[in-house]
Amino acid sequence: GEDVEQSLFLSVREGDSSVINCTYTDSSSTYLYWYKQEPGAGLQLLTYIFSNMDMKQDQRLTVLLNKKDKHLSLRIADTQTGDSAIYFCAERGGYQKVTFGIGTKLQVIP
Amino acid sequence: DTAVSQTPKYLVTQMGNDKSIKCEQNLGHDTMYWYKQDSKKFLKIMFSYNNKELIINETVPNRFSPKSPDKAHLNLHINSLELGDSAVYFCASSQDLTDDNEKLFFGSGTQLSVL
Repeated sequence: GEDVEQSLFLSVREGDSSVINCTYTDSSSTYLYWYKQEPGAGLQLLTYIFSNMDMKQDQRLTVLLNKKDKHLSLRIADTQTGDSAIYFCAERGGYQKVTFGIGTKLQVIP
Repeated sequence: DTAVSQTPKYLVTQMGNDKSIKCEQNLGHDTMYWYKQDSKKFLKIMFSYNNKELIINETVPNRFSPKSPDKAHLNLHINSLELGDSAVYFCASSQDLTDDNEKLFFGSGTQLSVL
């Protein structure tokens, strides 16, 4: 079955880069996503990558995909205090099903 | 204009009661979902409906019954509430995940506390 794993917590200083990692098990995944959840709010899509891509850059965000190792990472450059949130990795598998990881809580220290 | 709206935002109730959470989307999407987020922030799909038809039904107790009167609404009714049902329930919608680039749009969540 599908399984998505990520570390629970990451703490960085303001201005540094943050790297959040994720591994998944479903080799038939077509799209992989990064969602952001701020306190008391729903999830919002940050970025996504198609499974035949290795990298995608979107302003301060860089997504790297190693399909062989089923490893996905999100790099946030110049991390700001407003980036503090929980970041969810997710993969789209069969039957229109999106499976989420447990979420990584990013704490940005001023 | 809220794209995916769910009510109520907070729900506090006694064990054994029956309660409903409502969800509406104004995006014209065909597919709607219910996700459960537990206290450790683990987000797990419960149900998915496409054009009022059930397409995903994870191993959820049959005390949970989704109802989709039309494709813009997906309500969740829970019978005989238990302490373990306490969680945040998120409604979401998407156009059609068989298309490229489709993504989920989430509501802001309903925090259910069972006492």
